[in-house]
Amino acid sequence: DAKTTQPNSMESNEEEPVHLPCNHSTISGTDYIHWYRQLPSQGPEYVIHGLTSNVNNRMASLAIAEDRKSSTLILHRATLRDAAVYYCILRDMIYNQGGKLIFGQGTELSVKP
Amino acid sequence: DTEVTQTPKHLVMGMTNKKSLKCEQHMGHRAMYWYKQKAKKPPELMFVYSYEKLSINESVPSRFSPECPNSSLLNLHLHALQPEDSALYLCASSHYYLRDRGLQPQHFGDGTRLSIL
Repeated sequence: DAKTTQPNSMESNEEEPVHLPCNHSTISGTDYIHWYRQLPSQGPEYVIHGLTSNVNNRMASLAIAEDRKSSTLILHRATLRDAAVYYCILRDMIYNQGGKLIFGQGTELSVKP
Repeated sequence: DTEVTQTPKHLVMGMTNKKSLKCEQHMGHRAMYWYKQKAKKPPELMFVYSYEKLSINESVPSRFSPECPNSSLLNLHLHALQPEDSALYLCASSHYYLRDRGLQPQHFGDGTRLSIL
């Protein structure tokens, strides 16, 4: 599976937008980009996923670069509850080996009041 | 509230004990997973079950024995564990359709925090 690179940590202020970057320069044409987050003392939680086009849902937006070598998870108004570790994960839609998720180190997001 | 329920939430056991972790979901998911997470590290896959059959074992030591008695339940039987096995054990489930090869989002429980004395 192709690897992803994320900053170890980021800080944001409450009620401001947050842009969480992810680099995946070796992404293949059959890799989907998935984001999960893990709040303190909880299991990971699915956030969003996409292939080529930008995606929006009630939790976040996913902006994918035209060459697909990078993507950005956008939280439009950060709240204290958004403080978590955010994982960017590539999942091959053909050779997915049974659906497993391979987590990288992720970005620890802290939100200041 | 999580839709995947794991019990117990905490477990302390000695190296000679036998115990089991339990995971339950009622979302009709036919794929279930066990992950292990050490402190300050990302989760690592241990096992995958698809339609109650073991499909992936990530070279996990035999002191961990998974079992999927039906489509809603997943167990992890523990025997003769080592102190380095102390970790958070996470269960997850998802729909599994051959057409999209397991791209369905996974739903995680909040884990069992295991301590080996």
